[in-house]
Amino acid sequence: KAGVTQTPRYLIKTRGQQVTLSCSPISGHRSVSWYQQTPGQGLQFLFEYFSETQRNKGNFPGRFSGRQFSNSRSEMNVSTLELGDSALYLCASSTGNLGGYTFGSGTRLTVV
Amino acid sequence: SQQGEEDPQALSIQEGENATMNCSYKTSINNLQWYRQNSGRGLVHLILIRSNEREKHSGRLRVTLDTSKKSSSLLITASRAADTASYFCATDATSGSRLTFGEGTQLTVNP
Repeated sequence: KAGVTQTPRYLIKTRGQQVTLSCSPISGHRSVSWYQQTPGQGLQFLFEYFSETQRNKGNFPGRFSGRQFSNSRSEMNVSTLELGDSALYLCASSTGNLGGYTFGSGTRLTVV
Repeated sequence: SQQGEEDPQALSIQEGENATMNCSYKTSINNLQWYRQNSGRGLVHLILIRSNEREKHSGRLRVTLDTSKKSSSLLITASRAADTASYFCATDATSGSRLTFGEGTQLTVNP
């Protein structure tokens, strides 16, 4: 079966701009989680969506938001980009029942 | 914030040797998972051990879990150069629906 697909793979944006990242989970998986990975902070949880509802949220400012569609695809949006938002953004899908997660290859965002 | 720590931060061994990585965590968990990440790419799920399990095997991988010490270890036997990667432990807490990652161990297996 197809894996988790994240688009785009790479993105360069300017400070102050906004960005939208996309994640298509494994077919049948209803849970999509987002993580930010940086050299300084490591892997940090952003939020999780299950059946179009945000079920859990990490400790990130309101500039970070997300949503999930009826087909389980998810998007995350970052507004008013800052240099510190430069990171690898990873999406993970699961059945939502405390099993393992399947991660996408990530979107590498560079803010200049 | 990170759930806990991984030890060592970096490990360099020769092909054929065994590699052991340790992970500590802070809160109650439903399960603990290990992931591998090749340079700058996505995470690959290796193995999951539930809080009521003490040991689990998958191929060349052996994971132990000690909930009384809030610690886990990952053993990779007969390592190969292709095992070179970063390894992360992640806990799925009793509150569910999110993983909390350790800082990772960078493993280098020299041919």
